[in-house]
Amino acid sequence: AQSVAQPEDQVNVAEGNPLTVKCTYSVSGNPYLFWYVQYPNRGLQFLLKYITGDNLVKGSYGFEAEFNKSQTSFHLKKPSALVSDSALYFCAVRDTTSGYSTLTFGKGTMLLVSP
Amino acid sequence: DGGITQSPKYLFRKEGQNVTLSCEQNLNHDAMYWYRQDPGQGLRLIYYSQIVNDFQKGDIAEGYSVSREKKESFPLTVTSAQKNPTAFYLCASRGGAGNTIYFGEGSWLTVV
Repeated sequence: AQSVAQPEDQVNVAEGNPLTVKCTYSVSGNPYLFWYVQYPNRGLQFLLKYITGDNLVKGSYGFEAEFNKSQTSFHLKKPSALVSDSALYFCAVRDTTSGYSTLTFGKGTMLLVSP
Repeated sequence: DGGITQSPKYLFRKEGQNVTLSCEQNLNHDAMYWYRQDPGQGLRLIYYSQIVNDFQKGDIAEGYSVSREKKESFPLTVTSAQKNPTAFYLCASRGGAGNTIYFGEGSWLTVV
């Protein structure tokens, strides 16, 4: 089985400050990890992914995420938040070794960036 | 434009009616998915298809049906057996490096 936990329903940060959105996962084999962003009434947009290699992954709009195998975490980060980053963020995982071909999503974290 | 097109964006259904949500992709992806999104519950997988003429039930398939007669198309029918169909429905397809899943813009279904 595979699962994802996003422990925070909401994260509040002031514009210009660094932000972190947390994600932990559980798989039986090696994970593919993804972050998506959703704006109101829209579909999910792909931000970044970890497949293999460097533990620090850089993605769209200045976001990055760090894969930590020992802590089974894949936290999303940005050095300087923008008001326009306010949205719903989803972490997702796929177990590459179980033959299970679908993604499992966390429940989402609402990011609110104040001016 | 390349991508995934869902229609209609908004749909209203009366009790006891079946409705079909359309999903078309021109990304040449083999795999396609349907997810349901409810507030506070994230995304839940309804059905998925890895190739034409084949599909598998996801976590919440009861009350839904799909077909995959063409690579580009993966329509979802919400039947009258679905007890609580009001939700935001997202279609997706998988392809590219790392088998990334890409999403359409979603369809709102409301039972009236």
